Amino acid sequence: GAVVSQHPSWVICKSGTSVKIECRSLDFQATTMFWYRQFPKQSLMLMATSNEGSKATYEQGVEKDKFLINHASLTLSTLTVTSAHPEDSSFYICSAVTGTWGYTFGSGTRLTVV
Amino acid sequence: GQQLNQSPQSMFIQEGEDVSMNCTSSSIFNTWLWYKQDPGEGPVLLIALYKAGELTSNGRLTAQFGITRKDSFLNISASIPSDVGIYFCAFGQGAQKLVFGQGTRLTINP
Repeated sequence: GAVVSQHPSWVICKSGTSVKIECRSLDFQATTMFWYRQFPKQSLMLMATSNEGSKATYEQGVEKDKFLINHASLTLSTLTVTSAHPEDSSFYICSAVTGTWGYTFGSGTRLTVV
Repeated sequence: GQQLNQSPQSMFIQEGEDVSMNCTSSSIFNTWLWYKQDPGEGPVLLIALYKAGELTSNGRLTAQFGITRKDSFLNISASIPSDVGIYFCAFGQGAQKLVFGQGTRLTINP
């Protein structure tokens, strides 16, 4: 079946630095990818919709200048957390659309900002 | 915005017991999805429901799409240790977005 590879699986960074998270679709092309954030013991909250070749669409309350999304190819979407702060520490998950209401999720990235 | 109410928030059961959880909403949906998330992993689709009244099974899992299209339940029969995790209901919104319920955390005592 469709696989989405997400890297890194965990990262620790210093406050003020930037972190890039990658999601790659293996063996299929992902025109649309979604990025979610999940705080401990909470649900997944959609941050943005990433469309290949166009600007990402951000959900209300998500800072587009802080969470930079690039979807330059049909198999790769990246999320860059810029000037990270401790409150950005969370579990970030991507998903790719594989059909009508069909989604494949990455394995997630645990970001810890110290 | 549209929200899902998922219950219970957590369950503590003995191995072998059956489990039932549900999601309700004030809005009508055309699609209900049930996912399981293991610790430190992304969600994995368990069952997808597309029609009101639809009852679908996947091994020991059974899910139903309510007739009113405002609710859905998920049952797990004869639970085993690997059923531990967080179960989410989700509905499909416009532009293929998914909105997730709050999750049901399942813990199984051997």
